[in-house]
Amino acid sequence: DAGVTQSPTHLIKTRGQHVTLRCSPISGHKSVSWYQQVLGQGPQFIFQYYEKEERGRGNFPDRFSARQFPNYSSELNVNALLLGDSALYLCASSLAWTGLYEQYFGPGTRLTVT
Amino acid sequence: DQQVKQNSPSLSVQEGRISILNCDYTNSMFDYFLWYKKYPAEGPTFLISISSIKDKNEDGRFTVFLNKSAKHLSLHIVPSQPGDSAVYFCAASANTNAGKSTFGDGTTLTVKP
Repeated sequence: DAGVTQSPTHLIKTRGQHVTLRCSPISGHKSVSWYQQVLGQGPQFIFQYYEKEERGRGNFPDRFSARQFPNYSSELNVNALLLGDSALYLCASSLAWTGLYEQYFGPGTRLTVT
Repeated sequence: DQQVKQNSPSLSVQEGRISILNCDYTNSMFDYFLWYKKYPAEGPTFLISISSIKDKNEDGRFTVFLNKSAKHLSLHIVPSQPGDSAVYFCAASANTNAGKSTFGDGTTLTVKP
C-alpha cells in the first residue's frame, strides 16, 4: 500500500511569491494535517482537515491556507513568501481526527525562499 | 512557552544496552502521546503511543512509560541496535487527536557498535 505522498520534493521560490504544496493521504484516511519543521526544531502544527472541513489551525498568519478535496487529498498554500517560511513542510494522515489513531507522515516538501 | 520539551538534544549508547529518551509536558489537557523516529530526508515514522489512561505500553523492543503526576514520559529501547540511530520526537495531543500534535525538538540517538 502506498504511504502518504507529497509533491513537489523540493521547491525554490523568491520572496513575495506564492506556493502550493500537495499531499495525498494513505488510502482510507480521511484526516490530513500539515506541519512546518524548521531545522533543529520539531514539527509545528499548521492545519488539520477532516472530511473537507478545517478541524484545527495552529499559530500561523493568514498567509497560510489549506483545503481538502473530496478524494481527501489536500493542498497547502502560502502567499507573500518570507525568508522565514523556508522549512520542511510535512503532511500527515490518519483514519479519523480523534480516537487514538496514529498519524503517518509523508517525506515532506523542502521549501527554500530566497 | 514550549509545551513539550525534550531536554537532551543528544544521547549516545552502546549496542545492546538500554536507551532511555525523556520528554516533559506542561499542558494538562494532553491525553495522547506518541513517539516518532526520523531519519534524514524522510518524514517522521510512528513508533509507539500511549493514552493517558495507561502508564505503560510495550511493542517489541520499545516501551513507553507515562507519569501523569510528573507530566513526564520516557521511551525505552532494549536492546539498542545501530539501526536505531536517528532523531526521536515526542508528541502530545488533546482530545486523542494525533493530527493536532505538539512536538518536542527531538533527541538525536546514536547507537555505537
